[in-house]
Amino acid sequence: DAGVTQSPTHLIKTRGQQVTLRCSPKSGHDTVSWYQQALGQGPQFIFQYYEEEERQRGNFPDRFSGHQFPNYSSELNVNALLLGDSALYLCASSIAPGETQYFGPGTRLLVL
Amino acid sequence: GQQVMQIPQYQHVQEGEDFTTYCNSSTTLSNIQWYKQRPGGHPVFLIQLVKSGEVKKQKRLTFQFGEAKKNSSLHITATQTTDVGTYFCAGIGNSGNQFYFGTGTSLTVIP
Repeated sequence: DAGVTQSPTHLIKTRGQQVTLRCSPKSGHDTVSWYQQALGQGPQFIFQYYEEEERQRGNFPDRFSGHQFPNYSSELNVNALLLGDSALYLCASSIAPGETQYFGPGTRLLVL
Repeated sequence: GQQVMQIPQYQHVQEGEDFTTYCNSSTTLSNIQWYKQRPGGHPVFLIQLVKSGEVKKQKRLTFQFGEAKKNSSLHITATQTTDVGTYFCAGIGNSGNQFYFGTGTSLTVIP
């Protein structure tokens, strides 16, 4: 049984570019949450998807958008990248909103 | 907005010493979870506490949820080098299903 998987593992972009990160949840999980973790900080909640809809959103600008597919996998899109968007982006899945979250290995994004 | 703070930010202990990290929320939590993140890794779920005053143990780790459900603690007895990492608490408020992560406590164990 595969756990949460994310791709790519590392990514380097330049300011102004756009990026798409992908996440496949743990088998049996239908809820996916995305987090941004800056170096030395705790994960910050971006948004949560359940039943292909955004259910909760943290304090992130509209440049951050997402999608959940019928197979429960999810994408995080970030437009007009800023240097400050450099971080580890974590995806977490759970069997339902508010339940125990299982994190993927993350995607390390560097914006130059 | 809701804030979850942890103290201390950093802790260095000699192997065999005990360690405690404290988690404090600005608002009441419906539940709290604890995660461990090894350097270069991702958060790994340790435990969930739901009831006021709840205490749970996992081998050398003891977790407590405060009576007011606004604070929690993690205590490690006789630390080992394998305990190295950053420990995060994460709580859900009484409305919504968004987890608010604490600021984390980075534990270093000196052999």
